[in-house]
Amino acid sequence: KNEVEQSPQNLTAQEGEFITINCSYSVGISALHWLQQHPGGGIVSLFMLSSGKKKHGRLIATINIQEKHSSLHITASHPRDSAVYICAVTLSPYSGAGSYQLTFGKGTKLSVIP
Amino acid sequence: DVKVTQSSRYLVKRTGEKVFLECVQDMDHENMFWYRQDPGLGLRLIYFSYDVKMKEKGDIPEGYSVSREKKERFSLILESASTNQTSMYLCASSSRVPGNTIYFGEGSWLTVV
Repeated sequence: KNEVEQSPQNLTAQEGEFITINCSYSVGISALHWLQQHPGGGIVSLFMLSSGKKKHGRLIATINIQEKHSSLHITASHPRDSAVYICAVTLSPYSGAGSYQLTFGKGTKLSVIP
Repeated sequence: DVKVTQSSRYLVKRTGEKVFLECVQDMDHENMFWYRQDPGLGLRLIYFSYDVKMKEKGDIPEGYSVSREKKERFSLILESASTNQTSMYLCASSSRVPGNTIYFGEGSWLTVV
């Protein structure tokens, strides 16, 4: 069974700090997603990646397929970045499981203090 | 702007009531999903559908059923609500391409008393 592990579970940072959230998984995947959930809100997809690195504004996501590991970085963090960040994977079609489904990590709660 | 719309944001229902949670997407997506989210447990898949009238059980289908009569609409039904079904329910949709971006609704907070 695929497990998706995130670390840390909780993270408090000062405004302006560089932040890293990590995600590891145990089986072959076709894609990894980074999602953001604000308090009381729905979930927004930040990145979907299957290799390499993607950048959007102050957010950078990287993935190492061989090591089954991904990181989400936030540069120059701001209080509005405070949210829960969730890593999720779509299993490889060759894994034998439904490739439409996502397997989720439990999330990292980020608080950025002014 | 792409959209997944959940009909009710907040509901309070009594134990034993039948509850309908509706979800509509405007992206012509084949796949639709219902999740529940609980503190410490993360998101768990209840049911999903990969086409009209098709449905598959997820990890926690007990106590729930679903209906997909039209491509854009996916309904979650609690036949007889119980207090342990108090939760946040999230609907999502995606295209059939594996690994494609998934879009979520705003969530429905259900309290069963």
